[in-house]
Amino acid sequence: AQRVTQPEKLLSVFKGAPVELKCNYSYSGSPELFWYVQYSRQRLQLLLRHISRESIKGFTADLNKGETSFHLKKPFAQEEDSAMYYCALSPMDSSYKLIFGSGTRLLVRP
Amino acid sequence: EPEVTQTPSHQVTQMGQEVILRCVPISNHLYFYWYRQILGQKVEFLVSFYNNEISEKSEIFDDQFSVERPDGSNFTLKIRSTKLEDSAMYFCALVGRSSYNEQFFGPGTRLTVL
Repeated sequence: AQRVTQPEKLLSVFKGAPVELKCNYSYSGSPELFWYVQYSRQRLQLLLRHISRESIKGFTADLNKGETSFHLKKPFAQEEDSAMYYCALSPMDSSYKLIFGSGTRLLVRP
Repeated sequence: EPEVTQTPSHQVTQMGQEVILRCVPISNHLYFYWYRQILGQKVEFLVSFYNNEISEKSEIFDDQFSVERPDGSNFTLKIRSTKLEDSAMYFCALVGRSSYNEQFFGPGTRLTVL
């Protein structure tokens, strides 16, 4: 079964604190993993993808095939990071559809 | 970066009525998708559309649903006879010719079935 699990519905941290949003996936092949973000009143947008291996807005995510995880991390959270974060999987043998996790709301307090 | 708009932003309809949701891409595109998000639940894949035909659909996408590009530009999702459980946000997404599998999402249409 193809599934993405985000165990935390809400993650609340103070500004400057480290952040880790957890994502685990279930897929028998080699998927492509993404993090999408939705800021208040804005549309879903791509934050980063595992194949690019880059840092966007200070966020990084490493694909761990052994643990089937793709956790999103940032060493120092900013208030503007407050948003809904969705981990998503794209099976490589499909039409590049996205299978989403249930999302984690990140709240960064001043 | 491809842009996509959706109309209407909010649609209220009576159970059993037909609705058509529209997606308007602003630039070159390759794949189209429809997703839905029932309130409080995850975003779910409905259907993908490539080269003017359905390339993949989920089990949610039953005979009540259909997609087409009536004028070669707009991409529509039709629900023939709406049910209460069809109430959700419906998102259109597309992959541009040069965006390599990055899906660009529209702002969504909120469908309320009464």
